[in-house]
Amino acid sequence: NAGVMQNPRHLVRRRGQEARLRCSPMKGHSHVYWYRQLPEEGLKFMVYLQKENIIDESGMPKERFSAEFPKEGPSILRIQQVVRGDSAAYFCASSPPTTGELFFGEGSRLTVL
Amino acid sequence: EDQVTQSPEALRLQEGESSSLNCSYTVSGLRGLFWYRQDPGKGPEFLFTLYSAGEEKEKERLKATLTKKESFLHITAPKPEDSATYLCAVRGSGGSNYKLTFGKGTLLTVNP
Repeated sequence: NAGVMQNPRHLVRRRGQEARLRCSPMKGHSHVYWYRQLPEEGLKFMVYLQKENIIDESGMPKERFSAEFPKEGPSILRIQQVVRGDSAAYFCASSPPTTGELFFGEGSRLTVL
Repeated sequence: EDQVTQSPEALRLQEGESSSLNCSYTVSGLRGLFWYRQDPGKGPEFLFTLYSAGEEKEKERLKATLTKKESFLHITAPKPEDSATYLCAVRGSGGSNYKLTFGKGTLLTVNP
């Protein structure tokens, strides 16, 4: 039973470029969460999605960041015009609708030069 | 707003030296307290969920307990492979009653 799959694992971008991070949830899971982790800080909630719906994006910066979870295919976190402060580890987690546990992927580590 | 504070920030133990990690929380209507383990460069790995005060759960050398204000992760006779960052998170019944709010974690190092 494959876990949450994230790619790429590592991504390097120059300032002003776009970053796209992909997440495939565990089989049977229909809820996807994105979290960001900065050095010396805890995991910070960004956005919660179900298929074709953004349920809560209260943790996501208002500009440059967007997320989607289409009917087919992985969830995508998109960061436009990246800045150095966007450098972080971005984790995706999924859960089934009936239990509370979130299961995390291995993360995508974004470095902005 | 839900809040989680973990202590200590870092803990260094000798192999076999038992100890406890603390997680204090403030939440509007607890709907679950979660413990995760995170190894360097990896994603958090789920360990336990606790739902009500007095509840306890065990897994190998780890035991998690819960009161109305805090949770403890007890580590009995730890081994070097228990070295990791341990994360605590809560889910409340407030407006955002699905997301988990995490503490900053406790970095545990077990020396052989």
